[in-house]
Amino acid sequence: GAGVSQTPSNKVTEKGKYVELRCDPISGHTALYWYRQSLGQGPEFLIYFQGTGAADDSGLPNDRFFAVRPEGSVSTLKIQRTERGDSAVYLCASSSTGAGDNEQFFGPGTRLTVL
Amino acid sequence: QKEVEQDPGPLSVPEGAIVSLNCTYSNSAFQYFMWYRQYSRKGPELLMYTYSSGNKEDGRFTAQVDKSSKYISLFIRDSQPSDSATYLCAMSANSGNTPLVFGKGTRLSVIA
Repeated sequence: GAGVSQTPSNKVTEKGKYVELRCDPISGHTALYWYRQSLGQGPEFLIYFQGTGAADDSGLPNDRFFAVRPEGSVSTLKIQRTERGDSAVYLCASSSTGAGDNEQFFGPGTRLTVL
Repeated sequence: QKEVEQDPGPLSVPEGAIVSLNCTYSNSAFQYFMWYRQYSRKGPELLMYTYSSGNKEDGRFTAQVDKSSKYISLFIRDSQPSDSATYLCAMSANSGNTPLVFGKGTRLSVIA
C-alpha cells in the first residue's frame, strides 16, 4: 500500500513569508508526528497528533509554528514569518494505535529553504 | 549535553567488513531503542527495535543495549555497498505512540 506522502518535496521561500507543508499519513494510522531535520542532525520532534487533537506540541520552537489535522488524517504544518533558521527538512511520520512497538513510518520530507 | 550522543562519522569501510555503530544517552528513563536507516533524500526507515537491555539479531544486523552503561550498538556483518546510508539511533521512555529522541546519525560508506 501507499506510504506516507509529503508535499511539496521542495519549497523555497523568502524570509518573512508564510508556508504550509502537507502530510498524508498511511491510511488508518491514527498517530501522526512532525519532526524537523537540520543538515547533519537527527530528526527533532515538533508535534504529535492522536486523531484530530495535538497530544504533544512541546517541540514547536515558537508561536510561528502551528499544525492542524482537522479530520484525523491529512495534517498541515504552518510556519508564519519564516526565518532563515527555519531552513531544514520537515519530516512527517505516522503509526497505528494499539499494543506493540507502533513503528513510526516516515515520509520523504519537505526540504524548506528560506532565503 | 544532548540527551542522545552519536558520532556523526563519516565512517568508510570495505565491502565485507563488520561495522559497529554506537550511541550513548543520558536519560535513564529510556527503555525502547531503535535504529533507523536513512538514504540520501529519503525518510528514515526502521531497522531494529529493542526493549531494555539485551541483544537482538535480524539477518546481518545485531542490536545491543546496555542500560547500565547507557550505551547502545548496532553491528552490521558482511557489509554491502547497499548498506551505505546514515544510521540514526532513536529512543523513547514509553512504548506505543510517543515521540522519539534521535541521535544526529552516523554516515556510513561501504566501498566495493
